[in-house]
Amino acid sequence: DAKTTQPPSMDCAEGRAANLPCNHSTISGNEYVYWYRQIHSQGPQYIIHGLKNNETNEMASLIITEDRKSSTLILPHATLRDTAVYYCIVRGTMEYGNKLVFGAGTILRVKS
Amino acid sequence: DVKVTQSSRYLVKRTGEKVFLECVQDMDHENMFWYRQDPGLGLRLIYFSYDVKMKEKGDIPEGYSVSREKKERFSLILESASTNQTSMYLCASVSGPDYRTGELFFGEGSRLTVL
Repeated sequence: DAKTTQPPSMDCAEGRAANLPCNHSTISGNEYVYWYRQIHSQGPQYIIHGLKNNETNEMASLIITEDRKSSTLILPHATLRDTAVYYCIVRGTMEYGNKLVFGAGTILRVKS
Repeated sequence: DVKVTQSSRYLVKRTGEKVFLECVQDMDHENMFWYRQDPGLGLRLIYFSYDVKMKEKGDIPEGYSVSREKKERFSLILESASTNQTSMYLCASVSGPDYRTGELFFGEGSRLTVL
C-alpha cells in the first residue's frame, strides 16, 4: 500500500510557482521523502529528496513540515515542459520492509 | 549514458504465451524492481530483488515470476500471458543495502499488449 496521498491533478500557469502537496502522516523516523516525475512515455526521473530539513536544487525546492507528516514540492517558475505526473514516496531501509511503493501521483498541467 | 536498459520497448503477445521482460543495469546496484503502470493506478510493485538469487513479492505478484541470476540482470516472467497483463512495465534499480539516499534509476519501460 502506498504510504503517501496526493491530489490527483493540479493546474498551474506558466511562469508561476507550482506547489504540489503530499501527505505522509505515517512516516517513520528513518524514512526519507522523495519526489519523482514522469513525462509521458518515459520512465520516472528523480527530482529531490529530504529527511527533515528543507532542500533546494536546480530543479525544485522541498518543504517538509516540522512533524514530517506532509511536504510540498515547489517548482519556482513552471514551464510547459514541467507538465508531468509527480510522485511523492517515502523510502526507508530494507529491514523495515520498505518496498519503494508509488501511489497514483499528481498530474500537473502547466498552461500558457 | 544509459544506466537501466529494458530489452523491448514494445511487445505484442498472444494469450497463453510465455513472456520474458529483461532488465539490465550497469551501476552495480544490489536492488532491482519491477513495476507495472496502468492509467489512474500509478506504479504498482510486482517484485523486487535485493541481491542475486534473492526476491521478494511486491503488491501484485500474481501471474508473474522473476529471476535474478546475475547482479546486473533482473527478468520478469509471465508464465501464461493474459489480457489483463496488458500494461507498461518499468524496471528500476538503486544501490543498497541502505537505499534511503541512493537515486532510483528507471528504465524507459516496456509496453506489453496481450491479445
